Amino acid sequence: EDQVTQSPEALRLQEGESSSLNCSYTVSGLRGLFWYRQDPGKGPEFLFTLYSAGEEKEKERLKATLTKKESFLHITAPKPEDSATYLCAVQASGGSYIPTFGRGTSLIVHP
Amino acid sequence: DAGVIQSPRHEVTEMGQEVTLRCKPISGHDYLFWYRQTMMRGLELLIYFNNNVPIDDSGMPEDRFSAKMPNASFSTLKIQPSEPRDSAVYFCASSDWTGQGEQYFGPGTRLTVT
Repeated sequence: EDQVTQSPEALRLQEGESSSLNCSYTVSGLRGLFWYRQDPGKGPEFLFTLYSAGEEKEKERLKATLTKKESFLHITAPKPEDSATYLCAVQASGGSYIPTFGRGTSLIVHP
Repeated sequence: DAGVIQSPRHEVTEMGQEVTLRCKPISGHDYLFWYRQTMMRGLELLIYFNNNVPIDDSGMPEDRFSAKMPNASFSTLKIQPSEPRDSAVYFCASSDWTGQGEQYFGPGTRLTVT
C-alpha cells in the first residue's frame, strides 16, 4: 500500500527564517510526486510535479527537491503570505495512477 | 476558465435529511474526483470518474453515499440519509488525461449535519 508521511505536522517561522518541509513516501515505483498549497477555507492549489530523483522545481520562495525516498519543500526567506498548509501526493507507476495524499504540514509565518 | 465550480459553498442540515453536492469540472478535463477533508482523517478520495464513468468508488464510506456524472460538465455527490459524522468539507477536483496528479480543486462545500 502506498504511504505518504509529511513532517512536521505544524511549523512556525519568523519572517525571513528559511526552513524545509519533508514528505517521505513508500510506493512501488514512483510515477510522480506533487506538492499543493491549501489556504484556509479553500481547495488545494497545485504547485509542482517532480518525476525523478535529483529533479528540482522552483517558484518564488519555494523549491521542491526529490530523492528516491523523500521530497523536500524548501522555503527561503518566507513571508507571512506563505502561511498555508502544504500537501504532498505521490502517484505510483502501477495501478490506477490516482495519487495518495499526505496529511500536510501547517506553516505559519509570523511578521 | 472559471475553474472548478462547486455548490453550495455551505450546507447545514438535520440528521436524516438528503444532501446533494454539485460540481462543474474544468471544461476538457477527463477526470473528476470527489474528496472529503476532516481534521481527523485529512483528505480522503471518495470516488473518481473518467470520461463520466465511475472507475473506483472504494473510498465511499457507506451505501448512504452515491455519486453520478450524467455528462462531462456536471457531477453530484448525494448523502441519504445524512448523519452528524458526515460533517466535513467536500471537494471536487478535475484533471486532464495527462496528469491525474495535477488536479484542480474547487472551493469546497462545508457540510454540517446537526
